[in-house]
Amino acid sequence: SYVLTQPPSVSVAPGQTARITCGGNNIGGKTVHWYQQKPGQAPVLVVYDDNDRPSGIPERFSGSNSGNTATLTISRVEAGDEADYYCQAEDMLFGGGTKLTVL
Amino acid sequence: EVQLVESGGGLVQPGGSLRLSCEASGFTFSSYEMNWVRQAPGKGLEWVSYISSSDTTIYYADSVEGRFTISRDNAKNSLYLQMNSLRAEDTAVYYCARGAPRAYFDYWGQGTLVTVSS
Repeated sequence: SYVLTQPPSVSVAPGQTARITCGGNNIGGKTVHWYQQKPGQAPVLVVYDDNDRPSGIPERFSGSNSGNTATLTISRVEAGDEADYYCQAEDMLFGGGTKLTVL
Repeated sequence: EVQLVESGGGLVQPGGSLRLSCEASGFTFSSYEMNWVRQAPGKGLEWVSYISSSDTTIYYADSVEGRFTISRDNAKNSLYLQMNSLRAEDTAVYYCARGAPRAYFDYWGQGTLVTVSS
């Protein structure tokens, strides 16, 4: 079965750029979506169809997808971006999640 | 404003049953496909079940096939999940989420906690 692999954690200083990866066999041939989940809250869609943003999501959030890796990029990271991030692809399959820590 | 409000969670013994509900508002419920997604304590997201807008197509995760039943009542703007033969590993927050297969989940409810324990 298909597997999506995310790093358990990523740390970044405020104002820097965070990159969260989602690995999968030829994931570039699939469509990837990203969710942000803060403690005690429901997930929120932040990027869909590889690199589109829902209304209300800051332009600081962007996505890319090629080869065996999809990437969520958060520019000019803020303290409020600290959360768990999940990728999703291929018929409702989720990655294991990445905890983003803002130092 | 789109809202999804789950209810029906609680503590149940192994082997027991529970019925979750999700009441939708702020959009034309009958036009949208819906799902249940769960999250075990401290764990990641796991898709559970899908139902098409007119309930002609239904899918289940292997982990719940034969034990859970998804349904909807478009007249009541409501989604349901009947959970039977519950196991400890079914303990999780259950979210209803709007979305289609091979697509994204654009709106989520706040979740309802199901605890299976003796």
